[in-house]
Amino acid sequence: KAGVTQTPRYLIKTRGQQVTLSCSPISGHRSVSWYQQTPGQGLQFLFEYFSETQRNKGNFPGRFSGRQFSNSRSEMNVSTLELGDSALYLCASSSGQGGYTEAFFGQGTRLTVV
Amino acid sequence: AQSVTQLGSHVSVSEGALVLLRCNYSSSVPPYLFWYVQYPNQGLQLLLKYTSAATLVKGINGFEAEFKKSETSFHLTKPSAHMSDAAEYFCAVSETGGSYIPTFGRGTSLIVHP
Repeated sequence: KAGVTQTPRYLIKTRGQQVTLSCSPISGHRSVSWYQQTPGQGLQFLFEYFSETQRNKGNFPGRFSGRQFSNSRSEMNVSTLELGDSALYLCASSSGQGGYTEAFFGQGTRLTVV
Repeated sequence: AQSVTQLGSHVSVSEGALVLLRCNYSSSVPPYLFWYVQYPNQGLQLLLKYTSAATLVKGINGFEAEFKKSETSFHLTKPSAHMSDAAEYFCAVSETGGSYIPTFGRGTSLIVHP
């Protein structure tokens, strides 16, 4: 069974630009969550999509957005990039059927904003 | 509301010594608890989880954790550390009947000395 795939693995962008990250979940998983990981703030929840609908949202500005397609693949977009957006962005998929379900993480996209 | 506190951002042990990583949680309802491990430049991988069955949970790679309701703790242990255990460890909690989104601790970096 293929794992969670995130593309690209590494990105370098300039302040003010926008970026789109992609996540392909494990086959059959309907929930995709996104996290931002930084040394200073740890792992912070961005949002979760379940069956193409945003089901949960973290405390991030509106520059951070996402969507989920009918095949459960998800994209995350960050507009007007700031230096502080430099981070490892992790995607996790699960069945989304209960709090006891395990999240399967991708290897992440390392975003550097210069 | 749920929260997780991991005591000690870094824990250093010698190879062959006992590993003890501490996790305390706060939850208004019976929780589900998880330990994840993250190796450099990788995503998170589930080590073990507590879902209200046995209070002593055994996971992969020789790790285990004990749920203690009276102490609101879920500490991770391994009898004998191996060099390959060096990684970042995250404790997470989610609530029964909640949003299904786990809250992660800040992480503990395990350093293993030869």
